[in-house]
Amino acid sequence: GQQVMQIPQYQHVQEGEDFTTYCNSSTTLSNIQWYKQRPGGHPVFLIQLVKSGEVKKQKRLTFQFGEAKKNSSLHITATQTTDVGTYFCAGGSTLGRLYFGRGTQLTVWP
Amino acid sequence: DGGITQSPKYLFRKEGQNVTLSCEQNLNHDAMYWYRQDPGQGLRLIYYSQIVNDFQKGDIAEGYSVSREKKESFPLTVTSAQKNPTAFYLCASSITSRNTDTQYFGPGTRLTVL
Repeated sequence: GQQVMQIPQYQHVQEGEDFTTYCNSSTTLSNIQWYKQRPGGHPVFLIQLVKSGEVKKQKRLTFQFGEAKKNSSLHITATQTTDVGTYFCAGGSTLGRLYFGRGTQLTVWP
Repeated sequence: DGGITQSPKYLFRKEGQNVTLSCEQNLNHDAMYWYRQDPGQGLRLIYYSQIVNDFQKGDIAEGYSVSREKKESFPLTVTSAQKNPTAFYLCASSITSRNTDTQYFGPGTRLTVL
């Protein structure tokens, strides 16, 4: 069935370093959403990308949607301790459902 | 986020007992979802409902049951048939079931079966 693969599963960085998480699908996606879950919390919506090749920025976060609409990435520049958490991508199937990746757990050392 | 409540936050049950987790939303959303979260497994869809009195199985529905008698409520019952019920359960809702709609999550219920 439809799957959205996300890597890496874990990432440990020193504060100030950059961080990137990647999502890949074997089939074309209609859209991709990104969520953040703080430790002990629940997922919170960050952004949605719909167009092929789309790039969106939120302060230090840059989100990309691939030209073929099969992959996406989230890049954080100069991480801060407030960036700690698990980042999930969720790909929209052309059949209608949203499929979540397994998430990337980010740890930031001060 | 705000507008979806799940209770209780922590729940303990003995093996062999059914348990019902509550989920209520006041966002007037048509669609509601139940996910299970285990370490390293991400979010796995158990059941979802696009409209009142209708629901569909997700990827891991075995051992679970739901009802959607009211728009605001989507309770999940974890039955004794669920082989490994200890997990973090998240309820979510969205305006409709279109995959372009943002999903809003409740705070979750952490279930431990002893």
